[in-house]
Amino acid sequence: AQKVTQAQTEISVVEKEDVTLDCVYETRDTTYYLFWYKQPPSGELVFLIRRNSFDEQNEISGRYSWNFQKSTSSFNFTITASQVVDSAVYFCALSALMDSSYKLIFGSGTRLLVRP
Amino acid sequence: NAGVTQTPKFRILKIGQSMTLQCTQDMNHNYMYWYRQDPGMGLKLIYYSVGAGITDKGEVPNGYNVSRSTTEDFPLRLELAAPSQTSVYFCASTQTGAMNTEAFFGQGTRLTVV
Repeated sequence: AQKVTQAQTEISVVEKEDVTLDCVYETRDTTYYLFWYKQPPSGELVFLIRRNSFDEQNEISGRYSWNFQKSTSSFNFTITASQVVDSAVYFCALSALMDSSYKLIFGSGTRLLVRP
Repeated sequence: NAGVTQTPKFRILKIGQSMTLQCTQDMNHNYMYWYRQDPGMGLKLIYYSVGAGITDKGEVPNGYNVSRSTTEDFPLRLELAAPSQTSVYFCASTQTGAMNTEAFFGQGTRLTVV
């Protein structure tokens, strides 16, 4: 089965707190990509990062970091020193082969609310 | 550079009415997609297209139709609207169908069927 699970429906934190968004995936593929997208209140989904299954190094971009662990099938996203502008819905997605091309399978999303 | 543009942003339909959701992209992407987003359910793929003249069903195609006469446009048609089609609809495009390709999304169309 190809599936992405984001067990946290909603998280609320106070500004400057660190927060981790969990993502667990299932795939039958040996090579695959994982993605994180952000959906701010304006509505459109914005690409944040992609990670291939052969690269388990953690990635850091400013206040954002991603921890990919193949052994636990997880691709978690941490925001350090959260800010109000980080308030959004965050989606984890898996690239899966269907009908000769790859499609994104999305998790159900985690709504993050950062309070001032 | 507009990216992916969807119209309208909001629409209320009565049961049984029909409408077309418009989607256009200016990135010359071959691949285009329609998703629906229901609360707590993530995004589900409705239809996709790998190029002009070629379309195929996704995970939840029932009640919808699409066409792709040009590279730029990928309209989604609802023929007989039902309350179950109340959702937020997103159009997206990718440059290729490769596993690492980044998707670009429109701002969404919030549809309510009453």
